[in-house]
Amino acid sequence: QVQLVESGGNVVQSGRSLRLSCAASGFTFSTYGMHWVRQAPGKGLEWVAVILYDGSNKEYADSVKGRFTISRDNSKNTLYLQMNGLRPEDTAVYYCAKNGAAWAAKHYLDHWGQGTLVTVSS
Amino acid sequence: EIVMTQSPVTLSVSPGERATLSCRASQSITSNLAWFQKKPGQGPRLLIHGAFNRATGIPARFSGSGSGTEFTLTNSSLQSEDFAIYYCQQYNYWPLTFGQGTKVEIK
Repeated sequence: QVQLVESGGNVVQSGRSLRLSCAASGFTFSTYGMHWVRQAPGKGLEWVAVILYDGSNKEYADSVKGRFTISRDNSKNTLYLQMNGLRPEDTAVYYCAKNGAAWAAKHYLDHWGQGTLVTVSS
Repeated sequence: EIVMTQSPVTLSVSPGERATLSCRASQSITSNLAWFQKKPGQGPRLLIHGAFNRATGIPARFSGSGSGTEFTLTNSSLQSEDFAIYYCQQYNYWPLTFGQGTKVEIK
């Protein structure tokens, strides 16, 4: 069965950096796009970034563009999110999610991890 | 950016009753609409994609309809495990965007 396990969440000061990881198993990682989505405390879901199955294309939310970088290592079945210049408003639970369709097809999210908490203090 | 608007914000329903949730897109997203269920401490669970396709393992009491800008998620008979927050999400345009959520609570 599909498993996505996020790690790397922590408490960091404003302006610092953090890298999140998502270990994937139970499917052919190299054929699916992958996403990061976050949920701030008491708020709704906010899509953060996507990377295509082969890393050839990436898209970002405006709120993180220029500060966050999504990447993947298909040899390790692992997704990453490098977060630089963190701000208090980046405080959230960060989820990795698998694209529902293989290759570069429809971008609905069919499996999600349990999330990892990032807290940015001012 | 496509703005997704859900209504109502909160829906109070008795177990066994029918629940209807609405989602409106600020412009046409054809049928590229998904619905998720979210419970505290858990990752979201995909219920519906392509506006009306039930995801694997989702009970038949959940159904989706609509296209263009107006969409509906219906639960024909609420079970105790269905009380949660529900989100719609469009995937027709970047950035992907979610509605603000509808909380389905026990009446």
